[in-house]
Amino acid sequence: NAGVTQTPKFQVLKTGQSMTLQCAQDMNHEYMSWYRQDPGMGLRLIHYSVGAGITDQGEVPNGYNVSRSTTEDFPLRLLSAAPSQTSVYFCASSPRDKINGNTIYFGEGSWLTVV
Amino acid sequence: AQSVTQLDSHVSVSEGTPVLLRCNYSSSYSPSLFWYVQHPNKGLQLLLKYTSAATLVKGINGFEAEFKKSETSFHLTKPSAHMSDAAEYFCVVSPSGTYKYIFGTGTRLKVLA
Repeated sequence: NAGVTQTPKFQVLKTGQSMTLQCAQDMNHEYMSWYRQDPGMGLRLIHYSVGAGITDQGEVPNGYNVSRSTTEDFPLRLLSAAPSQTSVYFCASSPRDKINGNTIYFGEGSWLTVV
Repeated sequence: AQSVTQLDSHVSVSEGTPVLLRCNYSSSYSPSLFWYVQHPNKGLQLLLKYTSAATLVKGINGFEAEFKKSETSFHLTKPSAHMSDAAEYFCVVSPSGTYKYIFGTGTRLKVLA
């Protein structure tokens, strides 16, 4: 009953460091995505994927990379962390099919601070 | 262009009184509409969703929402607020046939004892 699992939950980075936020889902969902949440701005889409081997940019992709080598995993890479990337990051997945509909399921979040 | 507007950034109600959280949307296609709740330091949990079936949608914890196409609204209601309802609520629209999910900026609900 894992759903969408994100790690780590908390991370502090120094400016210029790189890191990867891990995301895995065990529901065989086609669609996966990464959002960042900042106060008063709701959730903004960073990158998304509609299947293994396919990724695309969202609303705020700069400074982030993704890959989708398997259906289950969708890691988010910060290439050179900046204080502006201090945020809460959510991974999400959705079945996007006629039977299960398009409900989007979220991980518990990753709190990232860049100093 | 699709958009979602949550009309109130903060709502305060007394325990036991009704809750109304307002959401208006614009979408070029028949959308799916969702309400999610986020408790402090937690992920987003689905409350309810509308996917072109009944216009009055019942969700978890006594919440419900009514899809009104003529008003392009999907307001969230609950007859009687409980202290545990204090959280942030997000209205989300997903235009039909797309992979897009458009989030409102959230409404923070405060429940007063």
